[in-house]
Amino acid sequence: GAGVSQSPSNKVTEKGKDVELRCDPISGHTALYWYRQRLGQGLEFLIYFQGNSAPDKSGLPSDRFSAERTGESVSTLTIQRTQQEDSAVYLCASSLQTVMVEKLFFGSGTQLSVL
Amino acid sequence: SQQGEEDPQALSIQEGENATMNCSYKTSINNLQWYRQNSGRGLVHLILIRSNEREKHSGRLRVTLDTSKKSSSLLITASRAADTASYFCATGPHAGNNRKLIWGLGTSLAVNP
Repeated sequence: GAGVSQSPSNKVTEKGKDVELRCDPISGHTALYWYRQRLGQGLEFLIYFQGNSAPDKSGLPSDRFSAERTGESVSTLTIQRTQQEDSAVYLCASSLQTVMVEKLFFGSGTQLSVL
Repeated sequence: SQQGEEDPQALSIQEGENATMNCSYKTSINNLQWYRQNSGRGLVHLILIRSNEREKHSGRLRVTLDTSKKSSSLLITASRAADTASYFCATGPHAGNNRKLIWGLGTSLAVNP
């Protein structure tokens, strides 16, 4: 597609429910990142996918968080048993992965509100 | 403290003035990037400067990098109300061939008409 697409744009859920967030990266981008951004804060790295390599999950805050990516296409971030502290904007980004990090293209994010 | 710390945290200027934001980092880097974020949603890449470069320009943007001081500055000249946004620096890669970028907390810029 023309850009990184994330859905839904907004998600309101009740504490304890599971949510699934989706990211469609730019076609041909092998690297995909998920970030979390709390209100007024910087970006918190969650997980990184690079082609068919094992993902770097070092940023996932707890075992309630998981993410998958099929090949070099769509990725889903799942949060189980949501807590109020999970409320944040979840941003997805993709890039052409060369030897070094190159610029990231971001989606518009999913605003998650846990009541 | 955070790698890639921007200062000031908030900046308010009048339209037409120049805005300068700074970013400091701690470990060696290969490149440093600046991004803009409007209304707390998606970030837009502004400029990338590599460790062997000292200055780079893009339109009204000027970025400098001082690797000896581990710092970078972003200058926006002749600011406009539309420049109102948060600006983040991101550094990478880092020791251990880690390709994750390290992000600062951002500078919130308000340009008043």
